[in-house]
Amino acid sequence: KNQVEQSPQSLIILEGKNCTLQCNYTVSPFSNLRWYKQDTGRGPVSLTIMTFSENTKSNGRYTATLDADTKQSSLHITASQLSDSASYICVVSEGTGGFKTIFGAGTRLFVKA
Amino acid sequence: EPEVTQTPSHQVTQMGQEVILRCVPISNHLYFYWYRQILGQKVEFLVSFYNNEISEKSEIFDDQFSVERPDGSNFTLKIRSTKLEDSAMYFCASSGTRTLREMRNTIYFGEGSWLTVV
Repeated sequence: KNQVEQSPQSLIILEGKNCTLQCNYTVSPFSNLRWYKQDTGRGPVSLTIMTFSENTKSNGRYTATLDADTKQSSLHITASQLSDSASYICVVSEGTGGFKTIFGAGTRLFVKA
Repeated sequence: EPEVTQTPSHQVTQMGQEVILRCVPISNHLYFYWYRQILGQKVEFLVSFYNNEISEKSEIFDDQFSVERPDGSNFTLKIRSTKLEDSAMYFCASSGTRTLREMRNTIYFGEGSWLTVV
């Protein structure tokens, strides 16, 4: 069964610190992997998109990595800010069309002052 | 910046009633999607739509659900006879034109429509 698993479930860090969130997937055939940020009660906002041939992608303080062999991805947040407090969701698209997406449950990040 | 807009933002309906959720995707986008998120749970894919037909759908998207693009701008999700378990946030999304790198197109989400079935 195609699945996306994220860890940790939640994380508390101090403002200014770095953190890394993990995503493991068992989706086949693999199309692409995206990381989203979702504030409570809001729609997800795209952070990065990677296909199987890409192993790193940056967007400001966010850096995503992908290892298509081990089917693992990570999202590294540098110099965290209070506004980074949100859920971070790993999403894997399956199939040749890449339209059907499987969402992870997300990592809830709390950044404290 | 262009955005996906959804209406209504909140709707309360009685079990068994029909509900139509409306979305205006980003104007030059060609791919449209509906997702749902039950409170406290993960986002789930419902359906994708391209060229006036469904391109993919999940197991959740059964005969009670339908989608339509009635004109050049709106994209609707209809739930024919709502059940209590349909209570959720429904997100509409859209993404861009087909290119050699279409799979990398960013999917833009709306802010969602909260549906409560009582």
